[in-house]
Amino acid sequence: EVQLVESGGGLVQPGGSLRLSCAASGFTFSSYSMNWVRQAPGKGLEWVSYISGSERTIYYADSVKGRFTISRDNAKNSLYLQMNSLRVEDTAVYYCARSPFWGQGTLVTVAS
Amino acid sequence: EIVLTQSPGTLSLSPGERATLSCRASQSLSSSYLAWFQQKPGQPPRLLIYGASSRATGIPDRFSGSGSGTDFTLTINRLEPEDFAVYYCHQYSGSPQTFGQGTNVEIK
Repeated sequence: EVQLVESGGGLVQPGGSLRLSCAASGFTFSSYSMNWVRQAPGKGLEWVSYISGSERTIYYADSVKGRFTISRDNAKNSLYLQMNSLRVEDTAVYYCARSPFWGQGTLVTVAS
Repeated sequence: EIVLTQSPGTLSLSPGERATLSCRASQSLSSSYLAWFQQKPGQPPRLLIYGASSRATGIPDRFSGSGSGTDFTLTINRLEPEDFAVYYCHQYSGSPQTFGQGTNVEIK
């Protein structure tokens, strides 16, 4: 069974940084591309970033390009999202996804 | 970018009735990489259907998905009280992955 467990969320001031982690199990992690998806309070779902299994291909949504960095450690079955220069509008629950399977999410709140 | 358009925006039904939700893609989805999620307030999205028609683990058989290409449907037979929620379709065929805007199934 695919299991994805996010961690690292919390309260951060505008301009600050946060690193999210996702621990994966139940499948051969290195064989699958992974994504981060987010949902702002009361809003719909927004794809944030993609990384291929080999790490050779990476994509970002325009809204986070240049500020967020996706990475993975296949030896540790882990996915990461380094978030810098955070803005109030980045406030959301962030989900790790091996589409179509998702974790339970971690809340990031950007506020002063 | 593949745009997913869900209809209707809101569906008002009574328990026991059938719900039919539509999701239309702006271009054909390869291998039917289309999923449906259910979301209740304060909870993460729950995977119902993947691959357009395969039920996820533990999902009751009153939920069924169908369709291919650009037109997909989620059907909920005999609505139970716990089925009233927001439903999203999601395509993971191409990058970027995209989502529909949601259909709110509310109690009439």
